[in-house]
Amino acid sequence: DTEVTQTPKHLVMGMTNKKSLKCEQHMGHRAMYWYKQKAKKPPELMFVYSYEKLSINESVPSRFSPECPNSSLLNLHLHALQPEDSALYLCASSQDKARTMGTQYFGPGTRLLVL
Amino acid sequence: GQQLNQSPQSMFIQEGEDVSMNCTSSSIFNTWLWYKQDPGEGPVLLIALYKAGELTSNGRLTAQFGITRKDSFLNISASIPSDVGIYFCAGYNNNDMRFGAGTRLTVKP
Repeated sequence: DTEVTQTPKHLVMGMTNKKSLKCEQHMGHRAMYWYKQKAKKPPELMFVYSYEKLSINESVPSRFSPECPNSSLLNLHLHALQPEDSALYLCASSQDKARTMGTQYFGPGTRLLVL
Repeated sequence: GQQLNQSPQSMFIQEGEDVSMNCTSSSIFNTWLWYKQDPGEGPVLLIALYKAGELTSNGRLTAQFGITRKDSFLNISASIPSDVGIYFCAGYNNNDMRFGAGTRLTVKP
């Protein structure tokens, strides 16, 4: 099973709303990632969690707040977003072993539209 | 982070033709990956390469990890309409994941 699930599939929110994106994997992976992808561009790394601890924050604005409640779940809390934050948000996971750490499996993404 | 140099940017081919795309970098990577992404979906892992010189196949797909560890190519043989999509290469080394800009493949029946 190499499945990463994400909910919701689509999300429309106003600039004053608070919403959350959810990601789940049951592959026993201990590294989980959030990416942002704009149209016709490759994914851009936002956050990395390793063993439920935030290990990398790629200078992401504080209106994006990640959370890793346990080894299978990853959330991204959104507050006071801007229209330019509209994008496809991708979750990924990988094993923690050095050889395969980079082999990341992506979820289907959440298409976010900020009005 | 800085993108890898992926080429070609786009390809228009006839069904049944073979396809080749490649990625180069000025940096060394320990892992090279190839993904395919359909519109509105997440990237799907096609092939992962872990060793310089490694040649790996997955059905009609073949990918190689360059000897210098700075490049990789992906070949698709006997293309079919469902091969349409965007193909991304990615290189990984020490918590650093870089992506190519993607190759957009169109297959004409």
